[in-house]
Amino acid sequence: DTAVSQTPKYLVTQMGNDKSIKCEQNLGHDTMYWYKQDSKKFLKIMFSYNNKELIINETVPNRFSPKSPDKAHLNLHINSLELGDSAVYFCASSEERGGGETQYFGPGTRLLVL
Amino acid sequence: AQSVTQLGSHVSVSEGALVLLRCNYSSSVPPYLFWYVQYPNQGLQLLLKYTTGATLVKGINGFEAEFKKSETSFHLTKPSAHMSDAAEYFCAVSDSLTGGFKTIFGAGTRLFVKA
Repeated sequence: DTAVSQTPKYLVTQMGNDKSIKCEQNLGHDTMYWYKQDSKKFLKIMFSYNNKELIINETVPNRFSPKSPDKAHLNLHINSLELGDSAVYFCASSEERGGGETQYFGPGTRLLVL
Repeated sequence: AQSVTQLGSHVSVSEGALVLLRCNYSSSVPPYLFWYVQYPNQGLQLLLKYTTGATLVKGINGFEAEFKKSETSFHLTKPSAHMSDAAEYFCAVSDSLTGGFKTIFGAGTRLFVKA
């Protein structure tokens, strides 16, 4: 039973399109995250939600919009996709948002923008 | 803001040899420190973490790390490498924000294990 799942696993699309990535966790955690990993493996946080409330919003283009319908789900919608959006996007969750919390990562969504 | 530096983007060891992956952090307050491992085409998983207490932390798969405040380091070691240890390793530190924390990851170190 997968703890943090993401769909789709792969996403290939054209520039200018709009796409969504879905994330679900069945761990009962309160906090969820979106990370972007670029081609050099550098991992950077994009957003974090705690109990459906946005608590971290890094300097991310407003073409990216997260949505948390409930605390078990955190989706990422991307408008007007650009070549530079190509990356692996990871969803993660943690029990709380304290500094020492372990984060549990999903398997990633590999986005390729052509 | 805190930051993490991993020395060496690639480390190659022979099977059975000592593994040493280096991590230094910058922090003005006692940090929370983590090592995560990423196997090919997978998400990250926690190897070990330091929050408080004993400075030598043991993790999964025989890995351990020592928090050295005087050196601002949190190096990861394993006495004997196994082929299955080949992966990307990320050191991370929690950065405090108003109302919470965010995790800052290092650039990663790719570990190669030679037969």
